[in-house]
Amino acid sequence: DQQVKQNSPSLSVQEGRISILNCDYTNSMFDYFLWYKKYPAEGPTFLISISSIKDKNEDGRFTVFLNKSAKHLSLHIVPSQPGDSAVYFCAASGQGAQKLVFGQGTRLTINP
Amino acid sequence: EPEVTQTPSHQVTQMGQEVILRCVPISNHLYFYWYRQILGQKVEFLVSFYNNEISEKSEIFDDQFSVERPDGSNFTLKIRSTKLEDSAMYFCASRPFAYYGYTFGSGTRLTVV
Repeated sequence: DQQVKQNSPSLSVQEGRISILNCDYTNSMFDYFLWYKKYPAEGPTFLISISSIKDKNEDGRFTVFLNKSAKHLSLHIVPSQPGDSAVYFCAASGQGAQKLVFGQGTRLTINP
Repeated sequence: EPEVTQTPSHQVTQMGQEVILRCVPISNHLYFYWYRQILGQKVEFLVSFYNNEISEKSEIFDDQFSVERPDGSNFTLKIRSTKLEDSAMYFCASRPFAYYGYTFGSGTRLTVV
């Protein structure tokens, strides 16, 4: 059951540049999307979310874009900092559903 | 900032034993969840709890699992007879009405030997 997919298991970006993490979904009933950041041996930490009625949401260095027709969302981090190195999970939920469905995660490494 | 607290951080148990994982959700949250992550795999939903009852559960959440909110503050996950494949990080989460407040605890690493 791969309703949410993050096809890049890892991404390496130079400090100060833009990091773009991608996520695709298959379930058209999903209407809320979240990005989480996770360090080893810690729980996922909420970063940013977007409702399906929007196509963009921005919070500081983080921007999430949603393309509903393509069932695709992306997280942009500008500028990337060494502390951004972590695993990033995309998650989705559908109206009335309680659970989040997670992607497999992308390990982001920011190189100095 | 309010946080979800989980105890213990690490539990080792023998196969067949019962374990109880504990969580204190954020106090004004309404929905409570358990997720797990087997090493190297994705975070998987186990169960959601709202208004003192289970509102949704996954296929993983079979008769060996149960949840309880015994006193209005704690939220527990019990595994009656642990199996080797139950070894994983277990995350508790809670949220208010809005999804953007969906907050996870730091997890309990369960090791079944």
